[in-house]
Amino acid sequence: KAGVTQTPRYLIKTRGQQVTLSCSPISGHRSVSWYQQTPGQGLQFLFEYFSETQRNKGNFPGRFSGRQFSNSRSEMNVSTLELGDSALYLCASSVGQGEGYTFGSGTRLTVV
Amino acid sequence: QKEVEQNSGPLSVPEGAIASLNCTYSDRGSQSFFWYRQYSGKSPELIMFIYSNGDKEDGRFTAQLNKASQYVSLLIRDSQPSDSATYLCAVWATDSWGKLQFGAGTQVVVTP
Repeated sequence: KAGVTQTPRYLIKTRGQQVTLSCSPISGHRSVSWYQQTPGQGLQFLFEYFSETQRNKGNFPGRFSGRQFSNSRSEMNVSTLELGDSALYLCASSVGQGEGYTFGSGTRLTVV
Repeated sequence: QKEVEQNSGPLSVPEGAIASLNCTYSDRGSQSFFWYRQYSGKSPELIMFIYSNGDKEDGRFTAQLNKASQYVSLLIRDSQPSDSATYLCAVWATDSWGKLQFGAGTQVVVTP
């Protein structure tokens, strides 16, 4: 059974640019969450999607957005990149609430 | 006040000994509790989850939950060098769609 697939694995972007990250959940998993992980802040919740609807959103500025497609694949977008956006971005999927989330390998974003 | 608290460590454990990790949480509405293991440079991996008060055992791992005292713990028996990693406690609360509250993690170092 394939796991959660995130692409790309690494990205280097310049301040002011925008970036799109992709996530394919485990087959049958309809809930997809996104997290940002940094050494200083740890794992912070960005948002969650279920059946193409955003059901929850963390405390991040509007530059961070996402969407989910009918096949449960999800994308997140960060516009007007700042140096502080450099982080590991993790996507996680679950079959249902409270069941635990399986994480992908992450996308390491470096903003220069 | 942090919602999920863990000792940051490092927790040094001799090979073959028991590693004991603790986690406290503030939200009494929390329903599900998870332990993730994260190796350096890798994404978190779910190793245990527990919903009910008491103990749950899975191989060398035992999770313990006490909702009245709002703590959850993880015991690793017969610790091996391969157990050296950061262990993240995560908590899910009802109606918190897709959002796991993570602690900062406890670094475990198993010494031969």
